[in-house]
Amino acid sequence: GNSVTQMEGPVTLSEEAFLTINCTYTATGYPSLFWYVQYPGEGLQLLLKATKADDKGSNKGFEATYRKETTSFHLEKGSVQVSDSAVYFCALSDQAGTALIFGKGTTLSVSS
Amino acid sequence: KAGVTQTPRYLIKTRGQQVTLSCSPISGHRSVSWYQQTPGQGLQFLFEYFSETQRNKGNFPGRFSGRQFSNSRSEMNVSTLELGDSALYLCASSLDTGQGGEKLFFGSGTQLSVL
Repeated sequence: GNSVTQMEGPVTLSEEAFLTINCTYTATGYPSLFWYVQYPGEGLQLLLKATKADDKGSNKGFEATYRKETTSFHLEKGSVQVSDSAVYFCALSDQAGTALIFGKGTTLSVSS
Repeated sequence: KAGVTQTPRYLIKTRGQQVTLSCSPISGHRSVSWYQQTPGQGLQFLFEYFSETQRNKGNFPGRFSGRQFSNSRSEMNVSTLELGDSALYLCASSLDTGQGGEKLFFGSGTQLSVL
């Protein structure tokens, strides 16, 4: 069945450091891929998405590229801020529905 | 525009009881889905409703059920509660354009504790 594997946290960085959170997936067909973020005390919200191979999703300085050959969707940001501290979830959905399969989540902590 | 609203925010129940959680989607959104979030299992899909019909279902026992009303509001019910049902239950809504890659809008969740 479909699944998502993302790197375990926590990830601890200093402000302005480079961030990579790895995400790989197993799926039949051509899933859409997502990164959702959960800030402390807030609900899950979509950070970025990509719906087909080689698409790059981007938002708030974060980027991720849909790599079908490596079944990956790694999240990157060139310079993190304290306000980026949150839990990040990689997810996939099939073409037909809104059912998302999530990774376990990666906690990011950024210090000044 | 109001977001996804879930009630109640917190709930404490004892084993064997049943519970009903409520979700009001964003106005105009036709699809409502439910997820269970626990520290051990993470986020897991429960079910999805569209036009009052369950369209998709995750791998949960029959004690977990739901429904959607004509105004798209949704409820989920858990009967014969077990300790392992303690979790944050999240509701999400979407426009459902049928094109895939839908953005889900999540509510803040209902934190259920089973004693």
